[in-house]
Amino acid sequence: GAVVSQHPSRVICKSGTSVKIECRSLDFQATTMFWYRQFPKQSLMLMATSNEGSKATYEQGVEKDKFLINHASLTLSTLTVTSAHPEDSSFYICSPRTEVYNEQFFGPGTRLTVL
Amino acid sequence: AQSVTQPDIHITVSEGASLELRCNYSYGATPYLFWYVQSPGQGLQLLLKYFSGDTLVQGIKGFEAEFKRSQSSFNLRKPSVHWSDAAEYFCAALANQAGTALIFGKGTTLSVSS
Repeated sequence: GAVVSQHPSRVICKSGTSVKIECRSLDFQATTMFWYRQFPKQSLMLMATSNEGSKATYEQGVEKDKFLINHASLTLSTLTVTSAHPEDSSFYICSPRTEVYNEQFFGPGTRLTVL
Repeated sequence: AQSVTQPDIHITVSEGASLELRCNYSYGATPYLFWYVQSPGQGLQLLLKYFSGDTLVQGIKGFEAEFKRSQSSFNLRKPSVHWSDAAEYFCAALANQAGTALIFGKGTTLSVSS
């Protein structure tokens, strides 16, 4: 159980374009979805928290208009990086939390490279 | 503020030697504690977790961790390291509160020498 899929696994885009990353919890319902970002050789930093049907809460320093999060259902959340720039190149990881297991699970991550 | 500290940025261990990676947490109440491993370019793999009960926790790949409330620590150990254990190790904590997120330490890079 607790399978999380993330798509795409890797994406390269041009500066100024937008990229959408999908995260699905395949066999459980995620009451809360967290999105993390990991720069090379660094730890995972929490970007935002979202609950199904509600607006996301963003961590300090994370632009809500740049990183659009949609948590439309208990099994699907999307992160859209709008007008991407090279400094947005990073490893993005979704992490659904279920109160049933009272822990978080992790998607395999999406490697975004902005040229 | 809640935090997780991994004092060692990089550790090198000889193959076959024992390993201990340190982790300390700062939380109001004892959180749930986790150790993850990440190989280069890969996602996270859960090694073990502590919620309550026995303070010595067994995990996968021969790893174990000991929770010490008095020291606010949750150190990871392995009696004999294999070359394939070289990776990045993250300690993380989760408050027992709905909607809160895992907080990660900065990680420890483990290198294994032959």
